[in-house]
Amino acid sequence: SQQGEEDPQALSIQEGENATMNCSYKTSINNLQWYRQNSGRGLVHLILIRSNEREKHSGRLRVTLDTSKKSSSLLITASRAADTASYFCAPPASGGYNKLIFGAGTRLAVHP
Amino acid sequence: DAGVIQSPRHEVTEMGQEVTLRCKPISGHNSLFWYRQTMMRGLELLIYFNNNVPIDDSGMPEDRFSAKMPNASFSTLKIQPSEPRDSAVYFCASSPGGGGSNQPQHFGDGTRLSIL
Repeated sequence: SQQGEEDPQALSIQEGENATMNCSYKTSINNLQWYRQNSGRGLVHLILIRSNEREKHSGRLRVTLDTSKKSSSLLITASRAADTASYFCAPPASGGYNKLIFGAGTRLAVHP
Repeated sequence: DAGVIQSPRHEVTEMGQEVTLRCKPISGHNSLFWYRQTMMRGLELLIYFNNNVPIDDSGMPEDRFSAKMPNASFSTLKIQPSEPRDSAVYFCASSPGGGGSNQPQHFGDGTRLSIL
């Protein structure tokens, strides 16, 4: 399946440190999305990167995409306790519509 | 801007009962998705509607599950009869556009369902 697989499964860091999460997928894609989920809440879209983009920034977030390696990474710089959440990459499934396949996510804990 | 609204937020019921989950998508969005999230299976897509028409229901686990979208502003997911293994958090999401995978999905805060 096209499910994104995040790595690591869990990450624990101190405030101010950077957090890097990785995602691998299996088939060719034309874009990839990243989402965040706070405890007890729905997923929130963070960023979409297209296949012709190698890097994209949004505030403290930096996403990279390497289509040759079928991998993506999400970097959160200068992390804050409020960044504590689960992070999911979502490559699209084949089928021609907006069907996203979510992996198990990376659980990030940022300690004050 | 109102986001995706789901109700109820929590539901506890006994097995065998009918459960109805409700979703109001963001106005103007014409794609709607129902997901189920559990610790064991993660986030699973159950069904996808486009312009109120079910397009892909391959994720619906069995005939006990049904979903409808009578108009652009309302959808329901029904489980009848419910079983303990249906306990999960059910999310509704909507997105603009009718096709292509380049649209962000906007999620509601989910319904936490417990079947005793």
